[in-house]
Amino acid sequence: DAGVIQSPRHEVTEMGQEVTLRCKPISGHNSLFWYRQTMMRGLELLIYFNNNVPIDDSGMPEDRFSAKMPNASFSTLKIQPSEPRDSAVYFCASSTRQGATQYFGPGTRLTVL
Amino acid sequence: SQQGEEDPQALSIQEGENATMNCSYKTSINNLQWYRQNSGRGLVHLILIRSNEREKHSGRLRVTLDTSKKSSSLLITASRAADTASYFCATDAGNAGNMLTFGGGTRLMVKP
Repeated sequence: DAGVIQSPRHEVTEMGQEVTLRCKPISGHNSLFWYRQTMMRGLELLIYFNNNVPIDDSGMPEDRFSAKMPNASFSTLKIQPSEPRDSAVYFCASSTRQGATQYFGPGTRLTVL
Repeated sequence: SQQGEEDPQALSIQEGENATMNCSYKTSINNLQWYRQNSGRGLVHLILIRSNEREKHSGRLRVTLDTSKKSSSLLITASRAADTASYFCATDAGNAGNMLTFGGGTRLMVKP
């Protein structure tokens, strides 16, 4: 099992550009989570999906952020337009059932200049 | 808002010593989990303790849960330099879906 796969691992972009982060959850997992981690704010849940349906996006900071899960094996987190304060490590995680262990991807380190 | 709050925020010990980290939470839970994060990596699950359990062991890890005090502790015995990492508690409060709520973490440094 390859685990949760995220791409790219590192992204450096300029303010105003569109950024798309990608995630492939573990096969058979029906829940997918997007987190953001910074030194100042710690680990924040942005949005999560059950069976490809967004359940709670209350953690999405602004309308500039959007997430999709078109099928069970792929999700994207998009920031448009990006700002320097969006610089963080973005993690995707997946799990099988309520309250179950979450398996995290390696993260995408985003730097917005 | 964070459900779990770890204490201390940072801990520095010598190799061979025991490390104890605490987690407090606010609402009733179904289970509580501990995760570890090495620098630059994703979180890795360590151990899960259910609300009807009081203590659980896994190798050098010992977790306790006191639901009356809404607190948990993670003990790492005979620590090693390789245990240097951040440790997070996460609670499952039985919300709709499979959401866990993570605390702010304890940064553990084990000096060789």
